[in-house]
Amino acid sequence: DGGITQSPKYLFRKEGQNVTLSCEQNLNHDAMYWYRQDPGQGLRLIYYSQIVNDFQKGDIAEGYSVSREKKESFPLTVTSAQKNPTAFYLCASRGLAEEIQFFGPGTRLTVL
Amino acid sequence: KNEVEQSPQNLTAQEGEFITINCSYSVGISALHWLQQHPGGGIVSLFMLSSGKKKHGRLIATINIQEKHSSLHITASHPRDSAVYICAALTGNQFYFGTGTSLTVIP
Repeated sequence: DGGITQSPKYLFRKEGQNVTLSCEQNLNHDAMYWYRQDPGQGLRLIYYSQIVNDFQKGDIAEGYSVSREKKESFPLTVTSAQKNPTAFYLCASRGLAEEIQFFGPGTRLTVL
Repeated sequence: KNEVEQSPQNLTAQEGEFITINCSYSVGISALHWLQQHPGGGIVSLFMLSSGKKKHGRLIATINIQEKHSSLHITASHPRDSAVYICAALTGNQFYFGTGTSLTVIP
C-alpha cells in the first residue's frame, strides 16, 4: 500500500521546546514538501526537497529545520525560535516527472 | 495579493443543487489542481488540469488559460460533498494555494 505517513497525528509541546514531525513516503517520489495550514489561510510552504541531502527554504522557513538523509524520509523540526508554532502541518510528495502532489494525513501541533 | 484567489470563501447548498467554485491565478502555471480537504484534515487530489475540461463522476473542472481562471462544478450535490475545496497552481517546482472554499451541503 503506497502512501505518505505522518506521525504523530496530534502533538502537544511546551513553549521553548523543539519538536520533530515525521514524514515517510513509500511512493519512490523524489520531491517532498512541508506546508503549514492556519485557519483562513492557504497552505504555506515551509521547506521542500527535490533530492536526498538537498533542500530549499519556502516562504516561511524561519524557526524550522529539515533534513533529507533518505529518499523516503523528510522530518521537520519546529524549533523554539518559531514564534507561533501552533498549526496544522502537512507533508506532501511528488514524482519529479509528475504534476500531482500526494499529501499525508497531517500533524496538528499545539504549543501549550 | 495572493497568487491564487478563490471564491466564494464559504458556500452552503441544499442537497441536489449545482455548485460552482471559482479560482483565479496570477502566475504562469504548468498545471492547476483542485484538492478536497475533509474535516479530519486529509487532502486528496481531485483533478490536475493544464487545459480544457475534466470530468469525474459528479465533479467537473474547467480551465481557461487565457483568462487565468478555473472552475470546479459539482452536479447533484450531496451532504458527503461537504468539505473544503482548494485550488493550487503549479509553477516551476512550487505550488501556490488558494485559501479554500468551505462547502456545506444540507440534506
